[in-house]
Amino acid sequence: ETGVTQTPRHLVMGMTNKKSLKCEQHLGHNAMYWYKQSAKKPLELMFVYSLEERVENNSVPSRFSPECPNSSHLFLHLHTLQPEDSALYLCASSQDRGGTYEQYFGPGTRLTVT
Amino acid sequence: RKEVEQDPGPFNVPEGATVAFNCTYSNSASQSFFWYRQDCRKEPKLLMSVYSSGNEDGRFTAQLNRASQYISLLIRDSKLSDSATYLCVVNFGSWGKLQFGAGTQVVVTP
Repeated sequence: ETGVTQTPRHLVMGMTNKKSLKCEQHLGHNAMYWYKQSAKKPLELMFVYSLEERVENNSVPSRFSPECPNSSHLFLHLHTLQPEDSALYLCASSQDRGGTYEQYFGPGTRLTVT
Repeated sequence: RKEVEQDPGPFNVPEGATVAFNCTYSNSASQSFFWYRQDCRKEPKLLMSVYSSGNEDGRFTAQLNRASQYISLLIRDSKLSDSATYLCVVNFGSWGKLQFGAGTQVVVTP
């Protein structure tokens, strides 16, 4: 299944590093999302982009910076992260059809902050 | 109170048996409802949307009760491959703002 791809799949970074996560959707959708999933916790919505415009920023610390250059690509830029930011970061996409938001997820990037 | 609550389980189910579990949501303005399944260390995958009249997809049946604010999932003739965590998901705003439950773990045993 290659509808939504994410790279890298695994990332280990120090607290002073800068890295970026990449997501690409091949489904022709008009909305993209970043989620965080920590162990034993529900998925937490971080950012929503609709038609390349950020429409939701769920009180996410500024050390996470999203970028959506077009409707198929989404990035999450990371800098000066903390160990508690270690988690699975999931990208999703959907096609807004008047209120139905079936979202399709990429495989995720498993991030470890040391 | 959590916005979406699920019994974490695990529900241990013999192969071939039926299992059902619920999910409650707190926001009465919720508009769309979904069940996702998530395998260990994998991404969530859409299992089915839940419609007001209830809907069925093969061995899976979903029901919505707006008055009591819960949705349910029933799995008939359980297969070993049904072992997973089932996530209840509710959309209560615009822009696809989904609220995920913590999941119900189902373990189907031979």
